[in-house]
Amino acid sequence: GQQVMQIPQYQHVQEGEDFTTYCNSSTTLSNIQWYKQRPGGHPVFLIQLVKSGEVKKQKRLTFQFGEAKKNSSLHITATQTTDVGTYFCAAINNAGNMLTFGGGTRLMVKP
Amino acid sequence: NAGVTQTPKFQVLKTGQSMTLQCAQDMNHEYMSWYRQDPGMGLRLIHYSVGAGITDQGEVPNGYNVSRSTTEDFPLRLLSAAPSQTSVYFCASSYSNQGPKETQYFGPGTRLLVL
Repeated sequence: GQQVMQIPQYQHVQEGEDFTTYCNSSTTLSNIQWYKQRPGGHPVFLIQLVKSGEVKKQKRLTFQFGEAKKNSSLHITATQTTDVGTYFCAAINNAGNMLTFGGGTRLMVKP
Repeated sequence: NAGVTQTPKFQVLKTGQSMTLQCAQDMNHEYMSWYRQDPGMGLRLIHYSVGAGITDQGEVPNGYNVSRSTTEDFPLRLLSAAPSQTSVYFCASSYSNQGPKETQYFGPGTRLLVL
């Protein structure tokens, strides 16, 4: 089945540093979604990317969808302690009826 | 709106016991799904439903049953609990009956320990 690989698995940063997580697939994706899960919480939808080369911004978060629609990234500028959590990408399978999640990147921010 | 609710929050079972995890949503969403989350493995789809009366298997359906008799409710049944089913279970819903092409709203989760 379709798989999405996410790297890195963990990332420690100093508050104020930037952070990036990457999502890669061997097959072309129809779209990709990003979620954030705070420690002990549930996943919360952040954004969905659909178009090749698409770039979307939410305050300090920048989301990109690759030109070939096989990879995506989430970049956080000047991290804050409130950014702590695990970030997941998720892709819809070819049949359009299931979401496949990446393994997630756990972000830890030192104040 | 309460959104997506799940009960119980925590549960301890003995091997071989059965139980039902409850999930309900009050947003009139067509698509509902169950995931399990294990450390380092992200979320894996167990079962999903595109509307009342329709269910289908996800990536890891063995040992679980679901039903969707109403739009609001989507219970997950563990037939005979095994230690490998120790996990955190999340229910999610989205508006479209075409599948998860829209925002997925997750419930708070049920933490299950099988001894």
